[in-house]
Amino acid sequence: ETGVTQSPTHLIKTRGQQVTLRCSSQSGHNTVSWYQQALGQGPQFIFQYYREEENGRGNFPPRFSGLQFPNYSSELNVNALELDDSALYLCASMGQGNTEAFFGQGTRLTVV
Amino acid sequence: AQSVTQLGSHVSVSEGALVLLRCNYSSSVPPYLFWYVQYPNQGLQLLLKYTSAATLVKGINGFEAEFKKSETSFHLTKPSAHMSDAAEYFCAVSPARDNKLIFGAGTRLAVHP
Repeated sequence: ETGVTQSPTHLIKTRGQQVTLRCSSQSGHNTVSWYQQALGQGPQFIFQYYREEENGRGNFPPRFSGLQFPNYSSELNVNALELDDSALYLCASMGQGNTEAFFGQGTRLTVV
Repeated sequence: AQSVTQLGSHVSVSEGALVLLRCNYSSSVPPYLFWYVQYPNQGLQLLLKYTSAATLVKGINGFEAEFKKSETSFHLTKPSAHMSDAAEYFCAVSPARDNKLIFGAGTRLAVHP
């Protein structure tokens, strides 16, 4: 068991709404990354947080935003949802100096 | 731009046969390389990783991969497939060695009796 937990596991939203996804990092891990995995595709890097600061961003619009809290848990917020935002959203945490990312089970978001 | 290409979106093998899943990458500097497995409705589990130590890397569940710089390849192999190996496999590269991963499109492995 990786120790990375995500909530909720599934949710359905309407186009134009806003959504917040949550991730609890593995104990002792101070870096968290978020990925979007559309159906039938590989995960795409959204952004990474290190000690509460954004530490790199992929090719995603500003309506995708995030937070990391002092306990290193994290949120992914998506505003103005579009149908193409329907995907599995994966969170991964890493410890300092660690080369391995531990993934959660993901949140399946469906936008209708 | 860095990228990962997985040749073959679907691979089917018989139980007990050799498994070979292909991965080629492009990177301007020697990267870190990873293979992950994903079972239905689950997250990603690390099979193995290359971080510039030995070029032949052994992972979990009998899988291994060889880093070949001249071919920019990191193919995944297992000598004998088991039914439980049926899953989606993703090759990933971290060009800056910072765990910001670039994934391939994945290869779905089917194992038949």
